[in-house]
Amino acid sequence: QKEVEQNSGPLSVPEGAIASLNCTYSDRGSQSFFWYRQYSGKSPELIMSIYSNGDKEDGRFTAQLNKASQYVSLLIRDSQPSDSATYLCAVKVSSASKIIFGSGTRLSIRP
Amino acid sequence: DTEVTQTPKHLVMGMTNKKSLKCEQHMGHRAMYWYKQKAKKPPELMFVYSYEKLSINESVPSRFSPECPNSSLLNLHLHALQPEDSALYLCASSQEGRAANTGELFFGEGSRLTVL
Repeated sequence: QKEVEQNSGPLSVPEGAIASLNCTYSDRGSQSFFWYRQYSGKSPELIMSIYSNGDKEDGRFTAQLNKASQYVSLLIRDSQPSDSATYLCAVKVSSASKIIFGSGTRLSIRP
Repeated sequence: DTEVTQTPKHLVMGMTNKKSLKCEQHMGHRAMYWYKQKAKKPPELMFVYSYEKLSINESVPSRFSPECPNSSLLNLHLHALQPEDSALYLCASSQEGRAANTGELFFGEGSRLTVL
């Protein structure tokens, strides 16, 4: 079992709709969870971090964490063409400074 | 503009060459990372330095040799690489310790390496 799993996509969403991205992780002791966006040919950029169960909202982005189910999700409201990118889920493994990425979900927003 | 600077942006080297990748950050972060990323794959952790000490080596071949001369600088020395080592090499930094945002990675733009 991979440490961090994501559906690779591509996920196609119409402009203005909600895009929902999902991630599961295997280390039950993990405490820190992150979503990164990566445009083609660019480096990853942090968009959200979440550390406790529940929802965390930042503008059009909402991260959701359920530690009991070992599940993290990212919702993007009012999707824009500029949101088209690969979204990487990352988990800080237990107490070490080891941050592992999922395989990424390619998101395409169609006008 | 990124606050993590990587040089060179592009590097082409032969299998017998010795070269180095450099990374610099001025955010006061005490954890620095090297990741390797192949096309259409996620970043793959190579090394982690915490307070200038190597804390994680993900079983990386010895032809890759990391160095952390001080809290702002991170180098990756390359020697006798193979063509399959061609990839984007990403440096990142983060807070360390008990800070609430520990683990939030800030990436440089990467060094694209081609091994002939």
